[in-house]
This record gives sequence, structure tokens and C-alpha cells, in this order.
Amino acid sequence: DIVLTQTPLSLSVTPGQPASISCKSSQSLLHSDGKTYLYWYLQKPGQPPQLLIYEASNRFSGVPDRFSGSGSRTDFTLKISRVEAEDVGVYYCMQSLQLPRFTFGPGTKVDI
Amino acid sequence: QVQLVQSGAEVKQPGASVKVSCKASGYTFTNYYMHWVRQAPGQGLEWMGIINPSGGGSSYTQKFEGRVTMTRDTSTNTVYLQLSSLRFEDTAVYYCARDFVFGGGYRWPAYWGQGTLVTVSS
Repeated sequence: DIVLTQTPLSLSVTPGQPASISCKSSQSLLHSDGKTYLYWYLQKPGQPPQLLIYEASNRFSGVPDRFSGSGSRTDFTLKISRVEAEDVGVYYCMQSLQLPRFTFGPGTKVDI
Repeated sequence: QVQLVQSGAEVKQPGASVKVSCKASGYTFTNYYMHWVRQAPGQGLEWMGIINPSGGGSSYTQKFEGRVTMTRDTSTNTVYLQLSSLRFEDTAVYYCARDFVFGGGYRWPAYWGQGTLVTVSS
């Protein structure tokens, strides 16, 4: 199975400042169809996960534009341009290259 | 809007079975696959499997093969997760999550239920 590694595992941020989380895959997530099957989710305290980014760099509906995803093949980054208090929680990357085997990264806990 | 409402918390003894429901609304039930993902206390997310509400076919991750059954009822727009031979380590919040892809395929869970806590305790 594909293994996802996230760094850092914990991040303390200052409101208004940028933040960045890395996700590395044990193999390329570029599919033969040209899409990259890497996703970012945020799980706020006491809530289910919510989708932020799909296919590595596309913001999901309703996601603020301070969130952006980048990267290719095995190396990916989630960036928050200016952190807000409501952004605290655990961020997970997930891959779906080889169906039906989905795997999540270990999560990065972000607090203020 | 898409809504997934899950059944309430359960407490089960080791060796028992549990059945969690997930009632969908706000979209055509049979057009989107449904995932099940679990999260042990203080731990990360673990994908368990997926069901096609249209035909009822399902796929499970190898870890749960033989213990998990995913079913659906198209008359009530509800999917079910049944986990048998429960162990202490099955204590977790179980989430259903609807896939994003329309009609006939799946690729990523986009909309999540509120979660159901299953506690395995003697």
C-alpha cells in the first residue's frame, strides 16, 4: 500500500502568519489519466473531516482562498496564507491512486 | 444540500456485532458511492471500505475482510455498516462519507456524516 508521511506532525501558528504542511508519498500519485489523486482534509475539534483540496491543487467548494495546495508526483504542500483562529485542528492528506485502496497520512495538528 | 445523518452511539461487548446506519438526503442516493472511515480515540483516519448504493456491490480493505458488511436500503436512502466479532481495538468513531464522483465511479469522499461512536467494553 501507498504510505503517506506528513511533516510536521504538530504546528503552532500565529494568527495572520502563513503556515505550511508537507505530505510525501511512497510512490507517485500521478495517474495515467493525467490527474494527481492527492487530497487535503481538515478535522476541526469534535467535528468530522472536511475536504479542503482535491487532486492536489483544487480548492473544494466554499473553501477560503487562503488555503492552497501544490506539488506533484510524491511531494505535496498545503499552505495557509494567513492563519485564522478557525483553522485550528488536524490536517490530513489522503491518496486514492489505486482503487479501492485509500490511505491517509498521520495528520498534522495545528494550534494557535 | 447533502446531508448524512448517522445513528447514535453504541456500547458493545467483545465478540458482539454492531450495525451503524447512515441516512442520506439532498441528492439522488443511487448516484454516488459511500465510504466508511473510522477513527480510534486520539488517532488518525482509517478507510474501511466502500459501497455502491445503486447495485449494492462493496469493497473492503483487507484488514476488515470477513468481519465487515456494508449494505444499503434504497427505499430509505440508508447505508449500513456491520462489524462483527468486535474487539476492544474496534472502539472508534465510524464515519460514512459520500463520494464526489457522479454516477458509476468513485475517487474521494467529499461529504461526511457526523460520526457514530462505537465503544467495545466488557
